[in-house]
Amino acid sequence: AQKITQTQPGMFVQEKEAVTLDCTYDTSDPSYGLFWYKQPSSGEMIFLIYQGSYDQQNATEGRYSLNFQKARKSANLVISASQLGDSAMYFCAMREGPNAGNNRKLIWGLGTSLAVNP
Amino acid sequence: DTAVSQTPKYLVTQMGNDKSIKCEQNLGHDTMYWYKQDSKKFLKIMFSYNNKELIINETVPNRFSPKSPDKAHLNLHINSLELGDSAVYFCASSPQGRMNTEAFFGQGTRLTVV
Repeated sequence: AQKITQTQPGMFVQEKEAVTLDCTYDTSDPSYGLFWYKQPSSGEMIFLIYQGSYDQQNATEGRYSLNFQKARKSANLVISASQLGDSAMYFCAMREGPNAGNNRKLIWGLGTSLAVNP
Repeated sequence: DTAVSQTPKYLVTQMGNDKSIKCEQNLGHDTMYWYKQDSKKFLKIMFSYNNKELIINETVPNRFSPKSPDKAHLNLHINSLELGDSAVYFCASSPQGRMNTEAFFGQGTRLTVV
């Protein structure tokens, strides 16, 4: 069963607008962490933002924020004021706690390709 | 000051050859990983080492053999290369046992088998 689901293979957004990239996850471990990475066309993997399962507030990092809805098991990435340089693949990932017994590896979604139009 | 560096960045080789990809991290992390990213961008973990000890081996053909001479290095050796091995291989590292720390990635090695 897929533990991280990114339902949007591709998204388009106009420059300067906000965009939400969806991520839902599945775990029975009460302790877990959620990550978003960006992969531009140059290929490197860039860490964007982290949300812990026990964090009281939604994570924010500059123009990136995470809409964390624990009951719905969703951790959507919101990019505000999109820029052309935001065009990239975006990956959601989860690390489960020690109860999961999977050596706490990162579990990855299939990614969403975002294109920012001028 | 590169945190996770892998060499080479590009590797083009013929089927049947043996090749190695090297990875080094200067972050002092205990855990290192190898990932394979296929043409559809799917990231699949291959191996994970913690303090030179193999802790994850994800059903990878035994033509792939990781080697960790010390906790700062994790090399990947591939024997008898096949066309299906063409992919981007990423090395990554993270501190041991910390939930909230991201994995730091190398720049990737694009392997093309012809």
